[in-house]
Amino acid sequence: DTEVTQTPKHLVMGMTNKKSLKCEQHMGHRAMYWYKQKAKKPPELMFVYSYEKLSINESVPSRFSPECPNSSLLNLHLHALQPEDSALYLCASSYLTGEDTQYFGPGTRLTVL
Amino acid sequence: SQQGEEDPQALSIQEGENATMNCSYKTSINNLQWYRQNSGRGLVHLILIRSNEREKHSGRLRVTLDTSKKSSSLLITASRAADTASYFCATDASGTGNQFYFGTGTSLTVIP
Repeated sequence: DTEVTQTPKHLVMGMTNKKSLKCEQHMGHRAMYWYKQKAKKPPELMFVYSYEKLSINESVPSRFSPECPNSSLLNLHLHALQPEDSALYLCASSYLTGEDTQYFGPGTRLTVL
Repeated sequence: SQQGEEDPQALSIQEGENATMNCSYKTSINNLQWYRQNSGRGLVHLILIRSNEREKHSGRLRVTLDTSKKSSSLLITASRAADTASYFCATDASGTGNQFYFGTGTSLTVIP
């Protein structure tokens, strides 16, 4: 299984809602990543988990809260988002961090009203 | 920011022609990777070239790396309409371990 899955595919939420994005991989990868991508822009790194511990937080606002319950799962909890947070949220995984090929999920298209 | 710059931003060619995209980056790297993204979808890894390599091939893809100029190029030969996508280079800065930065991307359109 060389797939990274993400749910939901699309999400529309209000600014007062709480929602979660989910990501799953069964490749035995020990590093997992969240990226944010705006239209016609490159992905921007948000968080890196290495061996289920948060190793990088790229100064992301606290309304985004990552969680790694186990080595196969990565969540992104969303609360009190702003309309400018609307974007494609991509999850990726790699065997190890830094030098390894990252495998990307299809993304969650988030719209904040 | 360690983000790379790619040029051209957009490229339109006829099917069968070759497409060349360039990537320049700012700091020393361990490796450079190229990814492809179809509109609104996830990224697909194409090829990885390490800092001690100068050229690498994979099918119709040819990647070069010039660390002295901090630049790389991706050549797609005999392009097909299905190659229409955005192409990104990505680098890991030496010593940072976890951080992985994407270039600005080239949008390629192959006209049948």
